[in-house]
Amino acid sequence: KAGVTQTPRYLIKTRGQQVTLSCSPISGHRSVSWYQQTPGQGLQFLFEYFSETQRNKGNFPGRFSGRQFSNSRSEMNVSTLELGDSALYLCASSLVGLNTEAFFGQGTRLTVV
Amino acid sequence: DQQVKQNSPSLSVQEGRISILNCDYTNSMFDYFLWYKKYPAEGPTFLISISSIKDKNEDGRFTVFLNKSAKHLSLHIVPSQPGDSAVYFCAAHGAGNMLTFGGGTRLMVKP
Repeated sequence: KAGVTQTPRYLIKTRGQQVTLSCSPISGHRSVSWYQQTPGQGLQFLFEYFSETQRNKGNFPGRFSGRQFSNSRSEMNVSTLELGDSALYLCASSLVGLNTEAFFGQGTRLTVV
Repeated sequence: DQQVKQNSPSLSVQEGRISILNCDYTNSMFDYFLWYKKYPAEGPTFLISISSIKDKNEDGRFTVFLNKSAKHLSLHIVPSQPGDSAVYFCAAHGAGNMLTFGGGTRLMVKP
């Protein structure tokens, strides 16, 4: 079974630009979550999507948004990029139900210059 | 306010000995806990989990202990191997599938 796939693996963007990251979950997993990892803040929850609806949202500004498609694939978008948005962005997929494990992709390394 | 804390940023252990990684949490609503292993520039890899109705879960060399009254969990790795060297994160399951992570502990296993 294929794992969680994130594209692209690396991105370099300029301040003020916008970026879209993509995530394909494990087949059969309908919940997709996004996390940001930075050296100072650790791993922080961005949002979770299930059945094309945002189910939970972390404490991030509105510049961070996402969506989920009918095949459970998800994208996240960051608009008006800031230097502080440089991070490893991780996508995780899960089955839906109580006490389920999240399986992570390899992440997208975003560098904002 | 950190709801999940790993107070030891690093731990060094000799190969073959036991590694004990600790994690504390404050939110009594957390009812499912997970440990992940992570290498730089890669996504976390799921290791082992435990439900709050249990106090111990074992999988091969990995055992997780949960002390609910103390809001404390620990991961034991026995015996430790050099390939175990990585950053270990504990995480607590919140609403939906949201995970709250600790800050991580870097484990170094010396040959």
